[in-house]
Amino acid sequence: QQQVKQSPQSLIVQKGGIPIINCAYENTAFDYFPWYQQFPGKGPALLIAIRPDVSEKKEGRFTISFNKSAKQFSLHIMDSQPGDSATYFCAASMGGNTPLVFGKGTRLSVIA
Amino acid sequence: NAGVTQTPKFRVLKTGQSMTLLCAQDMNHEYMYWYRQDPGMGLRLIHYSVGEGTTAKGEVPDGYNVSRLKKQNFLLGLESAAPSQTSVYFCASSYSTSGYEQYFGPGTRLTVT
Repeated sequence: QQQVKQSPQSLIVQKGGIPIINCAYENTAFDYFPWYQQFPGKGPALLIAIRPDVSEKKEGRFTISFNKSAKQFSLHIMDSQPGDSATYFCAASMGGNTPLVFGKGTRLSVIA
Repeated sequence: NAGVTQTPKFRVLKTGQSMTLLCAQDMNHEYMYWYRQDPGMGLRLIHYSVGEGTTAKGEVPDGYNVSRLKKQNFLLGLESAAPSQTSVYFCASSYSTSGYEQYFGPGTRLTVT
């Protein structure tokens, strides 16, 4: 009930490609879905987040697509660049004092 | 504004030794967290705190203890280190849970031999 399943585990795309990372959840009480980006040797940092009352959110080249009925959400990176190479984590929370539940992460490599 | 800081950055321990990792935040956040990160395992929550003087167990609490005596500090202790505790440890803090960003520290790389 508390899991967030993330795929793929790793992803390699050419510069300019559109990598897509997918996450699925079971608990319908989740009401906040953030994505975190982590560069090697650094702590994760919030990239973009969405609530289930919208189906899509864009911030620059990053887009979250949310499918409430399928209990899935995904991250798309438009015109990907080598500087986007990082590990990406999806997460979900349900408020109260319940901490975020993280997916296992996707290591993205964007090659020139 | 330093954000979240962690001390030390690196440490090597021998099996059975003890140590304390210190996390400090200057954002007046109520919530603080300790995670460990291992290859292929993502971020796993060890313990967390919803306010000064409170602590709660996360997903992988065994072998660790924590204390939150001051709002700005969250300590993670290993009483008797084991090789299985070799990992990168991250501290984070947030204003609340749902809808609020977690700010992570730079991490502590711990090796237990």
